[in-house]
Amino acid sequence: EVQLVESGGGLVQPGGSLRLSCAASGFTFSSYEMNWVRQAPGKGLEWVSYISSRSGSTIYYADSVKGRLTISRDNAKNSLYLQMDSLRAEDTAVYYCARDNGNYQIDYWGQGTLVTVSS
Amino acid sequence: QSALTQPASVSESPGQSITISCTGTTSDVGSYNLVSWYQQHPGKAPKLMIYEVTKRPSGVSNRFSGSKSGNTASLKISGLQAEDEADYYCCSYAGGRPRYVFGTGTKVTVL
Repeated sequence: EVQLVESGGGLVQPGGSLRLSCAASGFTFSSYEMNWVRQAPGKGLEWVSYISSRSGSTIYYADSVKGRLTISRDNAKNSLYLQMDSLRAEDTAVYYCARDNGNYQIDYWGQGTLVTVSS
Repeated sequence: QSALTQPASVSESPGQSITISCTGTTSDVGSYNLVSWYQQHPGKAPKLMIYEVTKRPSGVSNRFSGSKSGNTASLKISGLQAEDEADYYCCSYAGGRPRYVFGTGTKVTVL
């Protein structure tokens, strides 16, 4: 069974940093492309970032987070990460780890971790 | 790139059918047969219901079906049931930058 479990969310002040983690199990993590998707309270889904499989050499970001958020992966630990710097109030959201199905679509999601940016 | 456009809400009685539209552009929905649909109950993670416009993952009821014409994709739910009450989001591959564009979301209410 595919499982994605996020952690690392919490309350942080504007301008602060946070590192999210996603522990994957039930599939060969290194073979899959991965994403982070977020959902602000009461709002819709917003794609945040993508990393390619294996070496993770291809990375994309949404314009709204470029230069402030950094995606990475550790295949040996079956883990996906999102380093979040220079956080703003508008970054407040539930952050989901989401697996690509190998054909340009997302098939599995974690349960999400809440990031709140507030003073 | 803007979000795909969906109706904010749709309501119908049990047993009836509804169709949710998802309108994009030639840069996303119109260019790729890579539209997916997700169901999200309150406080829960999204669940894949339709992928590649028309395909259903194993375990998803055949009451759910998808289609596409031009820049607009659609999700049809037949024989509405109480458990179908949820938010629904469409999503399209957008070529890489951004990789995906999501719809604005539709709240489905079963009267």
